[in-house]
Amino acid sequence: SSEVTQPLSVSVALGQTARITCEGDNIGSKDVHWYQQKTGQAPVLVIYRDTHRPSGIPERFSGSNSGNTATLTISRAQAGDEADYYCQVWGSNTVIFGGGTKLTVL
Amino acid sequence: QVQLQESGPGLVKPSQTLSLTCTVSGGSITSGGYYWNWIRQHPGKGLEWMGYTYSTGNSYYNPSLKSRVTISVDTSKNQFSVNLSSVSAADTAVYYCARSGYYDNHVFDMWGQGTMVTVSS
Repeated sequence: SSEVTQPLSVSVALGQTARITCEGDNIGSKDVHWYQQKTGQAPVLVIYRDTHRPSGIPERFSGSNSGNTATLTISRAQAGDEADYYCQVWGSNTVIFGGGTKLTVL
Repeated sequence: QVQLQESGPGLVKPSQTLSLTCTVSGGSITSGGYYWNWIRQHPGKGLEWMGYTYSTGNSYYNPSLKSRVTISVDTSKNQFSVNLSSVSAADTAVYYCARSGYYDNHVFDMWGQGTMVTVSS
């Protein structure tokens, strides 16, 4: 299957670590990219090629990818991290986005 | 700093063609070997990639939209455009233009602010 699946929502306590997963058949063999989208704004790239951070993205954002699961990890979560997060891969000759995960910081 | 800005009608009638333009400022659309993409987001939903064009005019489309979508570039105006034919209410969405090719061909590192298009009679 070329689909990727994300949990609808993830909650994290302020200052703790949030982990958002992106599951797909052998996704570890693909490059996974992550975007953050705050309400009413365009998405922003936060991780590309599984583990790389674009300039300007805090080190608190990190990524991993192995087997059937890619993970976006947000350390020391802040109120400003509340957003929808989307994973994205290239598969079946098209760009595929996950359905998105709403991160709530409690 | 390159910036992208979408423009076009906010309301389109069913069965007509949706046409939007993205103006690139702060850099030439022909430099850097970038790809110029359209991505849409249905209200309250996730993201859907529509396709891209290149400065040479070559284009590539999402197979699910291929029969209805055309993406083109106008290098003289530093713009690229999308046409989506035979629209229905299901095409109501926020439409984003985005650049890829800096980190990877399919990594979108710069986005426009998005423009809402409603399909309704």
